[in-house]
Amino acid sequence: DAKTTQPPSMDCAEGRAANLPCNHSTISGNEYVYWYRQIHSQGPQYIIHGLKNNETNEMASLIITEDRKSSTLILPHATLRDTAVYYCIVSADNYGQNFVFGPGTRLSVLP
Amino acid sequence: EPEVTQTPSHQVTQMGQEVILRCVPISNHLYFYWYRQILGQKVEFLVSFYNNEISEKSEIFDDQFSVERPDGSNFTLKIRSTKLEDSAMYFCASSNIGLVVRAQYFGPGTRLLVL
Repeated sequence: DAKTTQPPSMDCAEGRAANLPCNHSTISGNEYVYWYRQIHSQGPQYIIHGLKNNETNEMASLIITEDRKSSTLILPHATLRDTAVYYCIVSADNYGQNFVFGPGTRLSVLP
Repeated sequence: EPEVTQTPSHQVTQMGQEVILRCVPISNHLYFYWYRQILGQKVEFLVSFYNNEISEKSEIFDDQFSVERPDGSNFTLKIRSTKLEDSAMYFCASSNIGLVVRAQYFGPGTRLLVL
C-alpha cells in the first residue's frame, strides 16, 4: 500500500496558486518525496522530488515540513492544462526502487 | 529533451495470444521498469530491471510475464498467453544513477485490449 495520504480531489481557479497537500507520517530517513502527475491516461509525468529541503523547479515548488511527515506541492499559477491527477510518492534511496502509487489528488483548474 | 518511447500505442489481441510491448528508455539510463494501470485503477508496479536482470518484481509479474533487453536500446515486456484481465495501459519507465537524476521517467504507454 502507498505510504502517503492525499485528498481525493481539489479545485483551483485558473491563475491562482494550487497547493496540494500530502501526508507521509511514516516516512523513513532515507526516503525521498516525489510528485508526479497524470493527465488523462498519459504516462505519469515527473514534477519534482526532495529529501528534506524545499525544492523549486520550472514546474513547481515542494515544501517539506521540518519533521518530514507532510509536504505540499505548489503550482504557482495554475492553468487549465494543469488539470490532472497528482501523485505524492515516497521512495527509498535505493536505485531501482519501485514506486507505489496511491489514488492521488484529482486537481481541477477552473476558468 | 530525451524521453521514453513505447510501441505500439494500442494493441488488440485475442485471449491466449502472445504480445510483446516495446520500450526505448532514455539513452543513458540504467534502470528500467514496467508498470500497468487497469482502467480507472491505480498505477501498479510490475518489474524493475538492471544490469540485464530483474531486480524486483511484484505479485502481478507471474510466469506469464517476461522482460528482456534484446539490444542496447530496447526493453520489452512479453505476455505469453494473454488473459482478459491483462487489458490495461502498460507504462515503461527508466531512471539513472546520480544525486539529482533519481526520478523515473515514464513513457506514453501502450493500451492493451484482450478480447
